[in-house]
Amino acid sequence: NAGVMQNPRHLVRRRGQEARLRCSPMKGHSHVYWYRQLPEEGLKFMVYLQKENIIDESGMPKERFSAEFPKEGPSILRIQQVVRGDSAAYFCASSPPVFAPFNEKLFFGSGTQLSVL
Amino acid sequence: TQLLEQSPQFLSIQEGENLTVYCNSSSVFSSLQWYRQEPGEGPVLLVTVVTGGEVKKLKRLTFQFGDARKDSSLHITAAQPGDTGLYLCAGEPPDYKLSFGAGTTVTVRA
Repeated sequence: NAGVMQNPRHLVRRRGQEARLRCSPMKGHSHVYWYRQLPEEGLKFMVYLQKENIIDESGMPKERFSAEFPKEGPSILRIQQVVRGDSAAYFCASSPPVFAPFNEKLFFGSGTQLSVL
Repeated sequence: TQLLEQSPQFLSIQEGENLTVYCNSSSVFSSLQWYRQEPGEGPVLLVTVVTGGEVKKLKRLTFQFGDARKDSSLHITAAQPGDTGLYLCAGEPPDYKLSFGAGTTVTVRA
């Protein structure tokens, strides 16, 4: 997981506030994935982005959640009007431009632990 | 949704003992990956298995992919405290969205 940088590591928000989670992929990687992990649950796919494009957001709630991966800068996962149920660890992963099967294709960051009070 | 079930959910053993964790699904996967995750960190890939019946060894860890490519197991020989962590399996369906199991939390006591 070296090279995928997520910040902040811990984020505390009160109900109704906005949360912004950032992810800088590994150098040379142009594909970014966001996953959410709840205690004693596996990672759940949220959204898949390439530079300036959302490829698949089928795992992301339709309301309050949005994601972007601009041409310059990190990918942002934005949660508006947070609720307690949004408390979770959010992981970002990146992969190289060619999604080669059978290779080590996903590298994960250390995650952002979001706590909603 | 292709569901992956991992068992057991928790496993606590003494240093030096062997252990096996399982990953089962009713779906066929083109490949299956095992990750280890430590508290406060992201998952780190251990191995990818591709061929039905394939067995891969990584030092004291042995990974097996079922003949039908629906299940997999991870066996650790002579476990050490450094093996402690959450072990996740993830299946690769025809698309890119890996399906993760809920994981097995392994604790190796010194």
